Amino acid sequence: EDKVVQSPLSLVVHEGDTVTLNCSYEVTNFRSLLWYKQEKKAPTFLFMLTSSGIEKKSGRLSSILDKKELFSILNITATQTGDSAVYLCAVGVTSGTYKYIFGTGTRLKVLA
Amino acid sequence: GAGVSQTPSNKVTEKGKYVELRCDPISGHTALYWYRQSLGQGPEFLIYFQGTGAADDSGLPNDRFFAVRPEGSVSTLKIQRTERGDSAVYLCASSLTGGLNSPLHFGNGTRLTVT
Repeated sequence: EDKVVQSPLSLVVHEGDTVTLNCSYEVTNFRSLLWYKQEKKAPTFLFMLTSSGIEKKSGRLSSILDKKELFSILNITATQTGDSAVYLCAVGVTSGTYKYIFGTGTRLKVLA
Repeated sequence: GAGVSQTPSNKVTEKGKYVELRCDPISGHTALYWYRQSLGQGPEFLIYFQGTGAADDSGLPNDRFFAVRPEGSVSTLKIQRTERGDSAVYLCASSLTGGLNSPLHFGNGTRLTVT
């Protein structure tokens, strides 16, 4: 059975700290890995990763994929209270059709 | 243009009733997905449409759940004989092609509460 596991489940840090969120997967027919940020309602898209070792970066956020060890990390530097959210990892697989399997998410709280 | 729109935003219904949840995807997006998210969990795949057809309905939990997308745009998720365990946030997402390089764009969801 396809599985996506995120760690830690929750994390509390202070503003200015750097955090690293982990996503590991065991799936057949891996195609892509996506990161989303979910505050109140709709998850919002952050990154899509398809190739190993190529860092994607957007401001203070960055992410990288390791297809050999089957994991990805999401880094947030100089955290701000506005970074408080649930961060979801989703793996795209093909099994006849194409769909995304989500992890449980990491709940990040940044204290002022 | 506008993002994915879901209505209603909240729905409270009694056990045993029938409900319909609507999703209006981003214009031009051919792929549409329904997910269900329970408290403290990640979204759980229900069904995927490519155009008008259900390309993958393997995530529908049982035959009380059904979804349609008759003109390849708006989709309706239908739940018959609702049960308390159906209470969750139902998220709809669309993507441009449904393929490898096409991320999902989510709506705000419908929070369904079955009493």
